[in-house]
Amino acid sequence: DARVTQTPRHKVTEMGQEVTMRCQPILGHNTVFWYRQTMMQGLELLAYFRNRAPLDDSGMPKDRFSAEMPDATLATLKIQPSEPRDSAVYFCASGGAVNTGELFFGEGSRLTVL
Amino acid sequence: AQSVTQLDSQVPVFEEAPVELRCNYSSSVSVYLFWYVQYPNQGLQLLLKYLSGSTLVKGINGFEAEFNKSQTSFHLRKPSVHISDTAEYFCAVTKTSYDKVIFGPGTSLSVIP
Repeated sequence: DARVTQTPRHKVTEMGQEVTMRCQPILGHNTVFWYRQTMMQGLELLAYFRNRAPLDDSGMPKDRFSAEMPDATLATLKIQPSEPRDSAVYFCASGGAVNTGELFFGEGSRLTVL
Repeated sequence: AQSVTQLDSQVPVFEEAPVELRCNYSSSVSVYLFWYVQYPNQGLQLLLKYLSGSTLVKGINGFEAEFNKSQTSFHLRKPSVHISDTAEYFCAVTKTSYDKVIFGPGTSLSVIP
């Protein structure tokens, strides 16, 4: 059963600490998206990759956030230093090579920054 | 740039009643349209999609949506809802050249017994 896997599922940290979230896209999918979900802002697109290359990260605060795809099976989202306003659920989604725009979502990483 | 509007943030409806969740989009180019559902503490999953062809598309769990190009709308409907349909529903859009997928703010559907 192919699925997108995200770790950790839950993370509680203190302000100023580094946070790394990981995503394993579905094997064979060549597009990866990072979204952040909050009650106030809804689903915000942070960054997305195609064939491991970043296509758009305009939704991401550049001073503290970074997103990478070290290889085709791993995408990472880092926050350094973390702040309380970063508290949210972070979703990774992957899409196939066929141009349909359908995304497959992971279960999310719930981040709480104290 | 594309954008998506979901006019209703919350929709309460009685069990077995029909429901319509509204979605309007803005784009200067042709688009693909989607409805996703999110159950509590889960990721989003695809309900249905419009890529081309028939403007009435059917999805999972008895949902359907109609694409109306002149009104730039893609409303979601179900003739008879169940308690299990209680969830958050998101409309989404992307350009037909594979591009970023933009989501609307979501509509919370509450089915009342």
